[in-house]
Amino acid sequence: DAKTTQPPSMDCAEGRAANLPCNHSTISGNEYVYWYRQIHSQGPQYIIHGLKNNETNEMASLIITEDRKSSTLILPHATLRDTAVYYCIVRVEGTGNKLVFGAGTILRVKS
Amino acid sequence: NAGVTQTPKFQVLKTGQSMTLQCAQDMNHNSMYWYRQDPGMGLRLIYYSASEGTTDKGEVPNGYNVSRLNKREFSLRLESAAPSQTSVYFCASSEVLAQDLEQYFGPGTRLTVT
Repeated sequence: DAKTTQPPSMDCAEGRAANLPCNHSTISGNEYVYWYRQIHSQGPQYIIHGLKNNETNEMASLIITEDRKSSTLILPHATLRDTAVYYCIVRVEGTGNKLVFGAGTILRVKS
Repeated sequence: NAGVTQTPKFQVLKTGQSMTLQCAQDMNHNSMYWYRQDPGMGLRLIYYSASEGTTDKGEVPNGYNVSRLNKREFSLRLESAAPSQTSVYFCASSEVLAQDLEQYFGPGTRLTVT
């Protein structure tokens, strides 16, 4: 199973872009990268996912390197409500539709 | 749509007591999951149900049983609660579409075992 590595914490100023990195150097060719976040005391929330190409939705953008060994989640204009733990996840192959959550990155957005 | 609902929101048990955590989804999803989250840690998968009538063990199944009652409902049972099972329990659901792993989570049940 591909593992992910994320920094334990990051700070970002309100209104600025938050760039959250993730390393997944052992990712397989058909494994997707998923991003979730968890705001304090709530259930995790799906943000975005991708395979090879960059993806964008109303919440964020996902930039995946050409070799797929790393990716960056971008919150273009971070607000205080974006303060949360952000999880980068690679789909576990051969074990059904399961996600494996690591420790994630604590993002603190400050005014 | 209520999404994924869980009951109860909070529960305190004594060691050795049993209880069932309830989960229901109204999105017509095929797959459902139970996770636990200990303080300061990521989520760990306890059991999952890929489709109605099937259940499988996740990372940490010991001490738990599950029932996929129908397509909507997936319950988690603690037969003899232990302090090590003090945690926040999250239920989730997803459609099964190729690689789609977009899961929707409930608000959680906060369980304390004394």
